[in-house]
Amino acid sequence: GAGVSQTPSNKVTEKGKYVELRCDPISGHTALYWYRQSLGQGPEFLIYFQGTGAADDSGLPNDRFFAVRPEGSVSTLKIQRTERGDSAVYLCASSLGRTTDTQYFGPGTRLTVL
Amino acid sequence: DAKTTQPPSMDCAEGRAANLPCNHSTISGNEYVYWYRQIHSQGPQYIIHGLKNNETNEMASLIITEDRKSSTLILPHATLRDTAVYYCIVLSKIQGAQKLVFGQGTRLTINP
Repeated sequence: GAGVSQTPSNKVTEKGKYVELRCDPISGHTALYWYRQSLGQGPEFLIYFQGTGAADDSGLPNDRFFAVRPEGSVSTLKIQRTERGDSAVYLCASSLGRTTDTQYFGPGTRLTVL
Repeated sequence: DAKTTQPPSMDCAEGRAANLPCNHSTISGNEYVYWYRQIHSQGPQYIIHGLKNNETNEMASLIITEDRKSSTLILPHATLRDTAVYYCIVLSKIQGAQKLVFGQGTRLTINP
């Protein structure tokens, strides 16, 4: 079946602009996660949804970052007033939502802020 | 969650077994050991996980020491496509779905 998909695959923007990154999870997966990966580092947790609600948003770095999942499926990560330090690969993962359920990752969106 | 320690890099010859160690000396009784890998420019991929017994699947074997303070991921016949960064992660089993905490991982290079 289809895996996790993310669009766009690449996004180049200018400092100060607003961007939206989209994640389509695997059908039927109730848990959805966003991670950020800077060059040479492991992925870093941002936020996780169980259904429509954000169950843990402790990884969001500041209030410029926001994510939604209005119908419990597709999620959008929104970044306001982008800064050069936001440049990274943004990864999305989904799972069935139980403790030992595997997280399946998408290919990521590479964001470059000029 | 318990912290993990892995060597930053390892090399292995194609066709040989690759043995990747992980230390998790502060692991508690309700925490699993998970392994993921990340091939260049792709998202992380699940490999295997275990609690206290050794585990094997079509990708790899996981050997956990009796005291659970360390584990070894074994790729029995490494191929060039196994070149990747391998992450060992400890995850509590009592909290339902939850975030993965990635360290720096081990960069495994399979040489022809």
